[in-house]
Amino acid sequence: QKEVEQNSGPLSVPEGAIASLNCTYSDRVSQSFFWYRQYSGKSPELIMSIYSNGDKEDGRFTAQLNKASQYVSLLIRDSQPSDSATYLCAVKGAYGNNRLAFGKGNQVVVIP
Amino acid sequence: GAGVSQSPRYKVAKRGQDVALRCDPISGHVSLFWYQQALGQGPEFLTYFQNEAQLDKSGLPSDRFFAERPEGSVSTLKIQRTQQEDSAVYLCASTGPTNEQFFGPGTRLTVL
Repeated sequence: QKEVEQNSGPLSVPEGAIASLNCTYSDRVSQSFFWYRQYSGKSPELIMSIYSNGDKEDGRFTAQLNKASQYVSLLIRDSQPSDSATYLCAVKGAYGNNRLAFGKGNQVVVIP
Repeated sequence: GAGVSQSPRYKVAKRGQDVALRCDPISGHVSLFWYQQALGQGPEFLTYFQNEAQLDKSGLPSDRFFAERPEGSVSTLKIQRTQQEDSAVYLCASTGPTNEQFFGPGTRLTVL
């Protein structure tokens, strides 16, 4: 079992709709969770971090964390063509293990 | 407030050549990470420094890979006797007090 799983295929959403991305992780003691956006040919850009159960909102982005279910999600409201990118879920372990474990990413295409 | 910088941005090497990839972290950032990203995959952890100390090198794929950060700022990732499977984007990230990793633009290595 991979440490971080993002199993959905490419996601196409019409402009203005909500894009929903899901991620599960295997290490129950993980403490920190991140969503990165990566445009084609570019490096990952941090868009959200979340550390405690519940929702965290930042502009059009909402991250949701459920540690009991080992599940983290990202909602993009009012999707714009500029949101078209690959979204990477990343998880940081506990006990001084500072590396990030990444999922393979989900491609989002926003259709004008 | 410059971000993480990496050089070169692109490197083409013949199989068997040695290469050296450089990372300049954000000024004052204590922690520095190297990741390898293959096409269509999320970044994979290679190694981690705290100041000049290499605290975790568990992700280095073979003894042909070597990283250093002798003065606790600039880091170099060296790959000896490059192989075709080393072709990837090599990403450097640094972390300040916020626990968040910020990535440089990456070096795209192509081994012919």
